[in-house]
Amino acid sequence: EAAVTQSPRSKVAVTGGKVTLSCHQTNNHDYMYWYRQDTGHGLRLIHYSYVADSTEKGDIPDGYKASRPSQENFSLILELASLSQTAVYFCASSARVDTQYFGPGTRLLVL
Amino acid sequence: AQSVTQPDARVTVSEGASLQLRCKYSYSATPYLFWYVQYPRQGLQMLLKYYSGDPVVQGVNGFEAEFSKSDSSFHLRKASVHWSDSAVYFCAVSAGMGYKLTFGTGTSLLVDP
Repeated sequence: EAAVTQSPRSKVAVTGGKVTLSCHQTNNHDYMYWYRQDTGHGLRLIHYSYVADSTEKGDIPDGYKASRPSQENFSLILELASLSQTAVYFCASSARVDTQYFGPGTRLLVL
Repeated sequence: AQSVTQPDARVTVSEGASLQLRCKYSYSATPYLFWYVQYPRQGLQMLLKYYSGDPVVQGVNGFEAEFSKSDSSFHLRKASVHWSDSAVYFCAVSAGMGYKLTFGTGTSLLVDP
């Protein structure tokens, strides 16, 4: 089964600070994704990537940057964290034509 | 644009009872459809998927779902629920395997023991 890990698992950040969330997968998947989940809502796609050194905007990219330095690693960057970015963030990966596998999530609280 | 509607935010059933969780999708072409489950403080795990063939698909832990093109639905069913099935269930649609998923808002299932 696919293994997707995320770090940190939880974080408290200050408004205006920089936050970096990391994701690592060990299954040679080409595709990686970042979603956010808000209480009472489904997951919404922030950024995704089909190949290393390339990222694409998802449905809600504003306020977020992404970086894919290698096939295994995909980071989500909040340059200026805001209160509205308090949420649970999930990373996922998939092979070219296969199911998406999700990491355990990172709980981010912005104060 | 693709979208998913899960009309029931919360469902409560007794252990041993049957279950149906509803999902309606909107997509112009033939969709790829998924059900995911999220246990408390965990990531999402796929229960089952459909993209062609028999409209009734079997998943893990006794779950199944039925695709209906005429009704634009992909309802999840289970014949007899267990207390451990208590979780949040998400229906999702995709343009294709590996493409981005669009999720519904989820249905929180509580199974009374």
